[in-house]
Amino acid sequence: DTEVTQTPKHLVMGMTNKKSLKCEQHMGHRAMYWYKQKAKKPPELMFVYSYEKLSINESVPSRFSPECPNSSLLNLHLHALQPEDSALYLCASSQDWDRPTQYFGPGTRLTVL
Amino acid sequence: KQEVTQIPAALSVPEGENLVLNCSFTDSAIYNLQWFRQDPGKGLTSLLLIQSSQREQTSGRLNASLDKSSGRSTLYIAASQPGDSATYLCAVHAGGTSYGKLTFGQGTILTVHP
Repeated sequence: DTEVTQTPKHLVMGMTNKKSLKCEQHMGHRAMYWYKQKAKKPPELMFVYSYEKLSINESVPSRFSPECPNSSLLNLHLHALQPEDSALYLCASSQDWDRPTQYFGPGTRLTVL
Repeated sequence: KQEVTQIPAALSVPEGENLVLNCSFTDSAIYNLQWFRQDPGKGLTSLLLIQSSQREQTSGRLNASLDKSSGRSTLYIAASQPGDSATYLCAVHAGGTSYGKLTFGQGTILTVHP
């Protein structure tokens, strides 16, 4: 099973809302990632968790708050977003240092009104 | 700072043609290079991963090569089919303290018409 699942598939929220994106994998991977992808652009790395600890934060605004409750689950909490935050949010996972192939989920399409 | 460039930006070919997608990167100190496919509005599907010590990888009709010293990789697609139509992304994986950082190219939009 090489599947990374993401929920919800689509999310529309106002600028004052609080919402969360969820990502799950059951491949035993110990590294998980959040990416943001704008239309017709490549994905941009936001956060990396390694062994459930935040190891990379690419200077992402604090209105995005990641959380890794356990080795299979990765959340992205959203609060006070701006319309320019509308994008496809992708989650990925990889096994470990020796096997760094990243497996991506289908993404959550976020629209901020 | 690593920069990844993909050429061409878009490519349209008739079904059955063999084609080559190009990827170049500025810093040769890479851990590996990964080719992805992305269908419109969807996530990324990993096609091939080449370790820095390898020269090429093959999977079915796909062959990817890596010349680390010159900072280049190519993705060869044999006997193209309409189902191959998608955006193809090249990504370079830095090692060491930058583990986990994939730097992506802008992608090549491939259209294979019947």
